[in-house]
Amino acid sequence: DTAVSQTPKYLVTQMGNDKSIKCEQNLGHDTMYWYKQDSKKFLKIMFSYNNKELIINETVPNRFSPKSPDKAHLNLHINSLELGDSAVYFCASSQDRGRGDTQYFGPGTRLTVL
Amino acid sequence: QKEVEQNSGPLSVPEGAIASLNCTYSDRGSQSFFWYRQYSGKSPELIMFIYSNGDKEDGRFTAQLNKASQYVSLLIRDSQPSDSATYLCAVNKWSSGSARQLTFGSGTQLTVLP
Repeated sequence: DTAVSQTPKYLVTQMGNDKSIKCEQNLGHDTMYWYKQDSKKFLKIMFSYNNKELIINETVPNRFSPKSPDKAHLNLHINSLELGDSAVYFCASSQDRGRGDTQYFGPGTRLTVL
Repeated sequence: QKEVEQNSGPLSVPEGAIASLNCTYSDRGSQSFFWYRQYSGKSPELIMFIYSNGDKEDGRFTAQLNKASQYVSLLIRDSQPSDSATYLCAVNKWSSGSARQLTFGSGTQLTVLP
């Protein structure tokens, strides 16, 4: 059973297009996240949702819009894609257990903007 | 100054040796410290976390934390070629409201030579 799943795994698109990435977790966790990992492997948080409520919104262009229809799903919609958006996007989830709350990552979506 | 700093490597050790991975962090309010392993093309997976000063052992892995020096390390004993991966240090602290935010270092690439 996949704990955190993402679709699609690969996404190749042209500049200016709009695309969405979907994420689902079956761990029963309350909090979900979107991270961006660039070509230098630097993993940076973009958004976090707790029980469908946005709680972390880092400095991300407003072309990126997360949506959480329920606490098991967190989708990422990207408008007007740019070359610099090419990266691997990871979804993650965690359950608040105090200092040891561990984030579990999905397999990632490799986005290539041409 | 980066919030979480790691030597990017690559770090090469012979099979059977001890690999030592280091990480420093800038925010004294940081609460918990995590080590993730990421194989090429895969998602990060948790190795272990630590939040009290001292050592914490789990199998071949030992995490060491020194809050006064703002330093955390990971030792891998009896290194195996299968340990070859990028090791990400992550630091957890309170963000806005009740959110805890995980900040990652840029990772250290480890190669274990047969």
